[in-house]
Amino acid sequence: SQKIEQNSEALNIQEGKTATLTCNYTNYSPAYLQWYRQDPGRGPVFLLLIRENEKEKRKERLKVTFDTTLKQSLFHITASQPADSATYLCALGTYSSASKIIFGSGTRLSIRP
Amino acid sequence: DVKVTQSSRYLVKRTGEKVFLECVQDMDHENMFWYRQDPGLGLRLIYFSYDVKMKEKGDIPEGYSVSREKKERFSLILESASTNQTSMYLCASSYPTGGTEAFFGQGTRLTVV
Repeated sequence: SQKIEQNSEALNIQEGKTATLTCNYTNYSPAYLQWYRQDPGRGPVFLLLIRENEKEKRKERLKVTFDTTLKQSLFHITASQPADSATYLCALGTYSSASKIIFGSGTRLSIRP
Repeated sequence: DVKVTQSSRYLVKRTGEKVFLECVQDMDHENMFWYRQDPGLGLRLIYFSYDVKMKEKGDIPEGYSVSREKKERFSLILESASTNQTSMYLCASSYPTGGTEAFFGQGTRLTVV
């Protein structure tokens, strides 16, 4: 069956360092991959999308890579800040009109001052 | 400001009750989704709908049904609530074109006693 794994349940890093989160998938050929941020008690909020024919996407301090051979995406936050502390979720989907979006279990990121 | 609104933030229901969770979106989105979120398991798709009166099962549809009579409204129904359905329920909507972001409601924390 389709499976998405975010291989760190929790990640703690020092402020100013680069945080790197990993998303791996199996038994799936996604057309695109998304990353969301979720704060406690709230719904996820979309951050970035990367398509299967793209290797890398950037948005301000965020960078996402997508390797369809390795079936992996890396999500980087550079110059991390305590305000970046949250749970980050990756999600996969296809282009069919009835596409469903499948989420990973998330990585809880804590940035310590 | 785009909005997905879930009818209740917190609900407490008794075992065996029929429970209705309502979700309304104001973005004219074709796709709507119901997920449940449990610690360590991430977001799991219960049902999704890609048009009025159309629905497809997600990964965990057992014990649930859905209704979409109008484009803006997607209801999740627990036919006979059980304690293992205690969870955070999240509704989302998106355009049908693959890759567009999903917008989430604030979530309903359901406790079945």
